[in-house]
Amino acid sequence: DGGITQSPKYLFRKEGQNVTLSCEQNLNHDAMYWYRQDPGQGLRLIYYSQIVNDFQKGDIAEGYSVSREKKESFPLTVTSAQKNPTAFYLCASNPYSPSGANVLTFGAGSRLTVL
Amino acid sequence: AQTVTQSQPEMSVQEAETVTLSCTYDTSESDYYLFWYKQPPSRQMILVIRQEAYKQQNATENRFSVNFQKAAKSFSLKISDSQLGDAAMYFCAYRRGETSGSRLTFGEGTQLTVNP
Repeated sequence: DGGITQSPKYLFRKEGQNVTLSCEQNLNHDAMYWYRQDPGQGLRLIYYSQIVNDFQKGDIAEGYSVSREKKESFPLTVTSAQKNPTAFYLCASNPYSPSGANVLTFGAGSRLTVL
Repeated sequence: AQTVTQSQPEMSVQEAETVTLSCTYDTSESDYYLFWYKQPPSRQMILVIRQEAYKQQNATENRFSVNFQKAAKSFSLKISDSQLGDAAMYFCAYRRGETSGSRLTFGEGTQLTVNP
């Protein structure tokens, strides 16, 4: 079945360490996104990518980095510069559409806890 | 910048009853899309319903329907015949109608409890 796979589901990190969250999709979608979810704040966009080797900052990109070397993969690195990284992270994707009508498909999420 | 506001952090409904979740948004665009997503305890985001701004007719998906008031920039979700499985966090979201790469902006969410 097609879908988005995020790993790991749970991740613990010590302060000062970088961690990378994996996001892989087999839907042949062009655009991919990373969102951060905190209680009471909804989902906030970290980074997004419309095509391979290109990506744009979202609303809260500071302390994060991404790459898009392959169409199916969009890993997110949470760096030590991110001051409050404990959160739930969601990856999403959608196929190309000139109208913006396409619906996002989401992964199951990754829960990052900084100890 | 577009904003989406959900003014009800929590709502509750009795099983089989009807509940309406509110959402307002702010935009200067004329072409856009609005969505309601559901996030159950599993935290998997699921699309509930989508509305195109150029359509006057309100979208409906089985027990879920919307009341889209474009002039008032309001987009409420009505759940009829509520079921226990409807208990979840519900997010309203907005997207510009330009390209599929445009960002989806979410509201803060409404936690819906369904009482048996």
